[in-house]
Amino acid sequence: EPEVTQTPSHQVTQMGQEVILRCVPISNHLYFYWYRQILGQKVEFLVSFYNNEISEKSEIFDDQFSVERPDGSNFTLKIRSTKLEDSAMYFCASSEARGLSYEQYFGPGTRLTVT
Amino acid sequence: AQKITQTQPGMFVQEKEAVTLDCTYDTSDQSYGLFWYKQPSSGEMIFLIYQGSYDEQNATEGRYSLNFQKARKSANLVISASQLGDSAMYFCAMREGEGQAGTALIFGKGTTLSVSS
Repeated sequence: EPEVTQTPSHQVTQMGQEVILRCVPISNHLYFYWYRQILGQKVEFLVSFYNNEISEKSEIFDDQFSVERPDGSNFTLKIRSTKLEDSAMYFCASSEARGLSYEQYFGPGTRLTVT
Repeated sequence: AQKITQTQPGMFVQEKEAVTLDCTYDTSDQSYGLFWYKQPSSGEMIFLIYQGSYDEQNATEGRYSLNFQKARKSANLVISASQLGDSAMYFCAMREGEGQAGTALIFGKGTTLSVSS
């Protein structure tokens, strides 16, 4: 069964450093998403991406964040200058199409630790 | 105001028993979708079941069913015949607005389910 993959599974970085989190969505999916989950808290939406542009973003997704689809398969989240509060699990998700019934398939997550 | 409310931080059930995980939602949209996800201790998010606001019948997927009460704005997850492997965090989530591209999922805070033998 096709699945969303994410690399790395765990990233440790120092405050102020740039990180890039990578995702390979399911191949025939057109909509891509990033969510984050601070330890013990609920999952929060960051951004959605379609047709090479951001279609929706939350208040969390400020100028420190950017997303890109550098080639036909990868989808990346960049955090320019990490802060301690960016420590969280970051989930990539993808869905086949628009429409409420199209579930978002989540990857296994990247645990980001900022020290 | 919270869009998704899960009032049970933790639930305990014995194997083979049924359990209901509560979820209430708040939206002014006529079209919306409700989802349940399971998050085991390994961390991944696993889709369980979907209910559309216009669906007249409650959704079912194997041992999972969604008790959808639109007037009460509740979408409770019922797990029948609980198994040890059901022990996990369960999240209720909502998407609002039919036909909008890339609509975000709004999650509740989750309920931890513990199944004992």
